Amino acid sequence: EAQVTQNPRYLITVTGKKLTVTCSQNMNHEYMSWYRQDPGLGLRQIYYSMNVEVTDKGDVPEGYKVSRKEKRNFPLILESPSPNQTSLYFCASSLGQGGTYEQYFGPGTRLTVT
Amino acid sequence: GQQVMQIPQYQHVQEGEDFTTYCNSSTTLSNIQWYKQRPGGHPVFLIQLVKSGEVKKQKRLTFQFGEAKKNSSLHITATQTTDVGTYFCAGSLITSYDKVIFGPGTSLSVIP
Repeated sequence: EAQVTQNPRYLITVTGKKLTVTCSQNMNHEYMSWYRQDPGLGLRQIYYSMNVEVTDKGDVPEGYKVSRKEKRNFPLILESPSPNQTSLYFCASSLGQGGTYEQYFGPGTRLTVT
Repeated sequence: GQQVMQIPQYQHVQEGEDFTTYCNSSTTLSNIQWYKQRPGGHPVFLIQLVKSGEVKKQKRLTFQFGEAKKNSSLHITATQTTDVGTYFCAGSLITSYDKVIFGPGTSLSVIP
């Protein structure tokens, strides 16, 4: 089954404790992206990747890191999480450029930073 | 920076009534996409519009892209309870197809 998977689905952590949210897709998609969703703000793009070893900042990259060492994986790293990073995070992938192809979203990761 | 706005933020309708959500961008878009997110779920792609003035239909849903490629609308005829969810528009610039800007969404409730 074609899908985007994220782990963990739920995470409660404390300020400053490094964490990684994994994202994997099995559709051989070139493009992958991370979004955060907050009430009233919709989805805001954090980082995106056009291919292996190619990443770029979205609208809200501060406090986040990403890497794309393999085509299928695109982990999101919070080196020193803060409470304002409490949010619902979605990973997405698409065949090509995210703005011109259908994006497939993962189930989401709900992160709480205390 | 570029902004994409949507109105209304919330809409409550009686089942069978029509519903429209509007999407407006501060700059010209290369294309517009629409997504639907059911409560507790993830966004699911509905459609993409590329041409100026384009109109597309999917059963009871009608999507339009403005002539200036700065606005779009989604109209649902005779809403059903299965239409409940949040509808997002998303656009990208001609200069950067990789960067996607989502609107804040319109949350639709349908009263049976």
